[in-house]
Amino acid sequence: RKEVEQDPGPFNVPEGATVAFNCTYSNSASQSFFWYRQDCRKEPKLLMSVYSSGNEDGRFTAQLNRASQYISLLIRDSKLSDSATYLCVVHTGRRALTFGSGTRLQVQP
Amino acid sequence: GAVVSQHPSRVICKSGTSVKIECRSLDFQATTMFWYRQFPKQSLMLMATSNEGSKATYEQGVEKDKFLINHASLTLSTLTVTSAHPEDSSFYICSAAARDTGLGYTFGSGTRLTVV
Repeated sequence: RKEVEQDPGPFNVPEGATVAFNCTYSNSASQSFFWYRQDCRKEPKLLMSVYSSGNEDGRFTAQLNRASQYISLLIRDSKLSDSATYLCVVHTGRRALTFGSGTRLQVQP
Repeated sequence: GAVVSQHPSRVICKSGTSVKIECRSLDFQATTMFWYRQFPKQSLMLMATSNEGSKATYEQGVEKDKFLINHASLTLSTLTVTSAHPEDSSFYICSAAARDTGLGYTFGSGTRLTVV
């Protein structure tokens, strides 16, 4: 079983749509959680951290359910520029990040 | 913010040659650097953890004699792919951790290696 699992997609949505991505992780001792965004052939960039209480940053909302070992990302009012691969990332205490394989989002005009 | 500079961004080399990739922390001291590899449509996979002044720690399945890592200063780590083969063609990315943080959070821009 992979440490971090994501639906690879692609998710094809129209502009303005709301889209949600899910992620599960296997290590119950995981300490920190993040969503990264990766554009084609580029390095990953931090989108937002994920907190137990849930957190919001503009059109982006992240949720964490420790009991179910589940993380989600909600994007509202999708823009063309949101098209990218979204990586679910977990810090397991090994001083390195563990990446999911990513969920690809394509926002269409 | 913390910046990590990675060079080269793209390299094409012949099979059997060696390629060196550099990763520099520009405005902070990086006690630890992480080297990842990403094959097309796959996730970033940690190859090794590089600690300044000591030997790197390699992940299972990564050949330490093939992927030489040197972290001789607090601002520079290098990854040398020795005797490269076409199957080594990949996207290599470094990530640096600042002295007072516990995880690698700043990424270099990546190096796309193509071995022909």
